[in-house]
Amino acid sequence: AQSVTQPDIHITVSEGASLELRCNYSYGATPYLFWYVQSPGQGLQLLLKYFSGDTLVQGIKGFEAEFKRSQSSFNLRKPSVHWSDAAEYFCAVGTASKLTFGTGTRLQVTL
Amino acid sequence: SAVISQKPSRDICQRGTSLTIQCQVDSQVTMMFWYRQQPGQSLTLIATANQGSEATYESGFVIDKFPISRPNLTFSTLTVSNMSPEDSSIYLCSAGTSGRGPYEQYFGPGTRLTVT
Repeated sequence: AQSVTQPDIHITVSEGASLELRCNYSYGATPYLFWYVQSPGQGLQLLLKYFSGDTLVQGIKGFEAEFKRSQSSFNLRKPSVHWSDAAEYFCAVGTASKLTFGTGTRLQVTL
Repeated sequence: SAVISQKPSRDICQRGTSLTIQCQVDSQVTMMFWYRQQPGQSLTLIATANQGSEATYESGFVIDKFPISRPNLTFSTLTVSNMSPEDSSIYLCSAGTSGRGPYEQYFGPGTRLTVT
């Protein structure tokens, strides 16, 4: 069965600092991986996705993620965080008909 | 991408009653899904809404409690039946667009349900 682990429940960074959110997955075949962001009181917005090919994928809002098969990881990064990035971030692994989500990482940004 | 709307955005309901949540997509999509997000938790898939046939439910979710309809390719409803306080959650609809690889899923804003 597929599963996703986000080891960090809560992260605080200063505005302008770099960010890395960790995601580890378990899946028997080539994984399809996603990062979503959920702002308070909002639904989920797709930040980026990995299906195949280049292991460094670019997303919206200046985010990127790197797929590392050897480490079963798909970490999300941003070089300079903005206060508006404060939100809950979910990593997910998907098949053709099902997404499995991690437990999420809550990002707090201090000014 | 698809734009998804849900109604109602929130509701407060009494124990033992039922609530039907509507999900509308702005374009025809292959797949629609319903998720539950309990307070402070991640998303759990309730079921896949199949157009013209019965929904496919995940383990732990049953049709009697969460009946789902999908009369066409752009609309689905989820009913939370005989509610109890444990059903207080955010219910999210998502729509999947086919493409290279699995379906990308786009989410509605959610329905925040409180059961008293």
